[in-house]
Amino acid sequence: SQELEQSPQSLIVQEGKNLTINCTSSKTLYGLYWYKQKYGEGLIFLMMLQKGGEEKSHEKITAKLDEKKQQSSLHITASQPSHAGIYLCGADPISRGSGNTGKLIFGQGTTLQVKP
Amino acid sequence: SQTIHQWPATLVQPVGSPLSLECTVEGTSNPNLYWYRQAAGRGLQLLFYSVGIGQISSEVPQNLSASRPQDRQFILSSKKLLLSDSGFYLCAWRRVLNGNTIYFGEGSWLTVV
Repeated sequence: SQELEQSPQSLIVQEGKNLTINCTSSKTLYGLYWYKQKYGEGLIFLMMLQKGGEEKSHEKITAKLDEKKQQSSLHITASQPSHAGIYLCGADPISRGSGNTGKLIFGQGTTLQVKP
Repeated sequence: SQTIHQWPATLVQPVGSPLSLECTVEGTSNPNLYWYRQAAGRGLQLLFYSVGIGQISSEVPQNLSASRPQDRQFILSSKKLLLSDSGFYLCAWRRVLNGNTIYFGEGSWLTVV
């Protein structure tokens, strides 16, 4: 079955530093989603990427999807304590029927701590 | 604007008791609706998927069931809870005709004791 692998599993950075979280799939993806979660709370939508080579930015967070649509990265510039949380990548695998069903699979998450 | 609500937020239930978690979406029509479970150390797993009233697809075999009695209402149920049903349950929705973004509710913590 198709799986998403996130790396690193956890990350501790000093405030102001840049960081990157990666999400890799063994198969081509229809859509790639990035979410942020505080423990015990719902998922907050960050960005969605669908086209190979696509890149989107929101405030200090940038997400990219590679040309083969199998790997995505999330980059945070000048991290702040408000960026702390669990980052999850989710994907709509083409193998699930025709794709674009919204039936997402998720990575295990990356826990980010930002030290003031 | 569209919003999604889940309740109750927290629930402690004894083994063998019934369960009903409710999810409601506002501000849209005919959304795709989803129930996910987030168990400790297992990540998020899709449980049920619905494209319309009365149309439910079960993604994994389990002790739970789902129903969609109204267009924007999605209910997760069980007749008899098991200890293994404990976890964090998340409802999600997607507007099909205009964009593929999937939004999640606040989640419901279920502890079966």
